Amino acid sequence: QSVLTQPPSVSGAPGQRVTISCTGSSSNIGAGYDVHWYQQLPGIAPKLVLYGNSNRPSGVPDRFSGSKSGTSASLAITGLQAEDEADYYCQSYDSSLRGLGVFGGGTKLTVL
Amino acid sequence: QVQMVESGGGVVQPGRSLRLSCAASGFTLSSYAMHWVRQAPGKGLEWVAVMSYDGSGKYYTDSVKGRFTISRDSSKNTLYLQLNSLRPDDTAVYYCASGGWLQFVDKWGQGALVTVSS
Repeated sequence: QSVLTQPPSVSGAPGQRVTISCTGSSSNIGAGYDVHWYQQLPGIAPKLVLYGNSNRPSGVPDRFSGSKSGTSASLAITGLQAEDEADYYCQSYDSSLRGLGVFGGGTKLTVL
Repeated sequence: QVQMVESGGGVVQPGRSLRLSCAASGFTLSSYAMHWVRQAPGKGLEWVAVMSYDGSGKYYTDSVKGRFTISRDSSKNTLYLQLNSLRPDDTAVYYCASGGWLQFVDKWGQGALVTVSS
């Protein structure tokens, strides 16, 4: 069972907006640690798509956005495209784990 | 070009050992915190080990403590993960990754598959 909780799956039609939630606790997200998001295509290493709750690395389209509040965070993708179909993982740190990161269980995004 | 290339994966019997290597190019390993993350077949990501940028801090997930060791050779700009007393539930793709301390990871290797089976 993951320290951070994500929905197993979400789906949306091309052009639509989807959101993926990430729920933690007072020892991780609620303790002030930033939340980061990764996209993983099948058989490929994860790719960072958001860092520091809402910042996009160079090359990530502005269709990706993020927010954090209290013990939760969310990733939003607008103008959904077929290429967005992938697994998405949130990541943070936990005060009990001394340097090790924690991931959410992952969310499979299906573009209908 | 920034790149991390992993090697050393393979099929190994339970109880045996394996060493994974992660050769970095285009940046200096010792300037970053270095991580190993694994992914069992069909499962999510799991943090395995982390080394601070100066090498003074090494931390492991509970299931591998006492069995796995993270290290680096700065002269070769290479990160290692020594896996001892392997168990079937250690079967996974192992990724090396780099980033900040208590921050995000922005550089990943391509992954090395370790299969523990008799």
